[in-house]
Amino acid sequence: QVLLQESGPGLVKPSQTLSLTCTVSGGSVSSGNYYWNWIRQPAGKGPEWIGRINPSGSAVNNPSLQSRVTLSVDRSKNQISLKMTSVTVADTAVYYCAREPYCTDGVCYRRFDYWAQGTLVIVSS
Amino acid sequence: DIQMTQSPSSLSASVGDRVTISCRASQSISNYLNWYQHKPGEAPKFLIYAASTLQSGVPSRFSGSGSGSHFTLTISSLQPEDFATYYCQQTYNSPYNFGQGTKLEIK
Repeated sequence: QVLLQESGPGLVKPSQTLSLTCTVSGGSVSSGNYYWNWIRQPAGKGPEWIGRINPSGSAVNNPSLQSRVTLSVDRSKNQISLKMTSVTVADTAVYYCAREPYCTDGVCYRRFDYWAQGTLVIVSS
Repeated sequence: DIQMTQSPSSLSASVGDRVTISCRASQSISNYLNWYQHKPGEAPKFLIYAASTLQSGVPSRFSGSGSGSHFTLTISSLQPEDFATYYCQQTYNSPYNFGQGTKLEIK
């Protein structure tokens, strides 16, 4: 059973950097079979995809957040990380990490098959 | 970006009812459509991909249909554990946008 758990500060000041970590248990972030994604959900809104990273560290981000987001993989700790710079109150949300299986056939149906429970990050002075 | 619109935004139903949730894409996405279930305080649960393929372990009372830009999630006979918020997601193009959700409540 794969389990994902986020950790990090629940309160960040405006203009500062949000840093979250997702620890994976029951599986390895080094596995060549999965991408690792970050998603966030502001209160009362639908989820928003932030980006994904593969075990080699190659990342693709949502263009709306591109310049502020950095994703990374720490294979020794079995963790993935999210850094978001210059945060504002609009970045207040529940943040999730999720696993995405690699596509193994010619047609690629991306999906997030395991999610963490989510962690609330509030941006406030 | 492809926008996803769900309807209704909320729905009241009783145990045993058949319910249908709609999801529309702002352009054709073929069948690159996922459905998720989310209960407060829990990790979202992946239900369906490719518009109609059930994830392993998902009860058969859940079904998905549609292609192009209109999709539906149907629960054939509601069970108490099905009361939750449901989200659709397109994975045709990045960014992989979600709908705003449909909250399924007990009548």
